[in-house]
Parts: sequence; structure tokens; C-alpha cells
Amino acid sequence: DAGVTQSPTHLIKTRGQQVTLRCSPKSGHDTVSWYQQALGQGPQFIFQYYEEEERQRGNFPDRFSGHQFPNYSSELNVNALLLGDSALYLCASSWDRYNEQFFGPGTRLTVL
Amino acid sequence: KNEVEQSPQNLTAQEGEFITINCSYSVGISALHWLQQHPGGGIVSLFMLSSGKKKHGRLIATINIQEKHSSLHITASHPRDSAVYICAVRSDGQKLVFGQGTRLTINP
Repeated sequence: DAGVTQSPTHLIKTRGQQVTLRCSPKSGHDTVSWYQQALGQGPQFIFQYYEEEERQRGNFPDRFSGHQFPNYSSELNVNALLLGDSALYLCASSWDRYNEQFFGPGTRLTVL
Repeated sequence: KNEVEQSPQNLTAQEGEFITINCSYSVGISALHWLQQHPGGGIVSLFMLSSGKKKHGRLIATINIQEKHSSLHITASHPRDSAVYICAVRSDGQKLVFGQGTRLTINP
């Protein structure tokens, strides 16, 4: 049984560019949450998707947007990249919104 | 002040020692998670608990809802336990709020 997968593993972009990160949830899971983890910090909640809708959002600007597909996979899009967007982006999936979350390996984004 | 505070921030111990990591939170919660993060970033969920105590192998997690405090204990610690341990709480809806993590190093 494949766990949560994320792609790409690493990504380098320049300021002002746009990026799309992808997440496939664990088999049987229907909820995907996205987190940003800056170096040396704990993860920060970006948003959660359930039934293809954004259900809850953290304190992130509108430059951060997402999508969930009918197969429950999800994308995180970040527009107009800033240096401060450099971080590890983690995806977590769960069965239902309130159950234990299982994390993917993360995508490390570097903005130059 | 952060909603979730962990202590200590860094902990170094010798193999075999009993380890305790503490987590205090300031909000009402529906669940508390203990997570392990190894270098490179991957996060593994260790426990999710809302009351009492849970045990898995050498790991024990306890929570005191009234005192808004949780502890993670590791018995007979081993160098492979070296990692960052993160406490996270579910309070406002579905989102998790994370502590800053405790970096644990177990020396042989």
C-alpha cells in the first residue's frame, strides 16, 4: 500500500515565478492538508481540501491556492514567488477531516 | 506566545537513557499528535491522543487535558531515535497547530 507521495522532491525557482506542487494521498484517504515548514521551524497549516473544496485555510495570502481532483489527489500552486516562500512543503492525507494525518516526504522549494 | 510550546528545544542523551519531551498548549483541543521528523524532512505520525495514555513499543505518550500538557517518553533510548519530535494540536476545526519541535540526539 503506497503511502502519501509528493512530487517533485526538490524544486528551484526564481522570484516572481509560479510553482505547482503535487500530492497523492494514501489509498483510502479523501482529505488532503498542505503545510509549509521553514528551516528550523514547525510546519504551518496552509489549507485543507475535502470533497474537492477548500474547507479551512491558514494565514497565507491568496498567492497560495490549491485544488483537489476527483481521485483525491491535490495540487498546491504558489504565484509570484518570494524569497520567503523557500521552505519544505508537506502534504498530509487522512480519511475524513478529523482522523489521523499521514505525511508525505515533502517538496523542498528554493526561491532564488 | 505560541499556542503550542515544547521543551526542551534540544536534548542530547546517552544510549539507554529514559527520555521525556514536554508539550504545553494554550487552546482547547480535540486531539494532540506526536510526530517524528528525520533529516530530509519526512514526518511520521507516532501518536494521536485525546485523553489518557498510549504506548507503542518503547514510546509512551500521555496527555492531561485539564493541565493542557502532554509528554512523550522514550524508554531504553537508541541512536536511531535521534530525530526532531513535534507536538501538534487540533483546535480550530481541522487544522493542526505545531510546536517548534525538540531535536533529540542519542549518542552511542
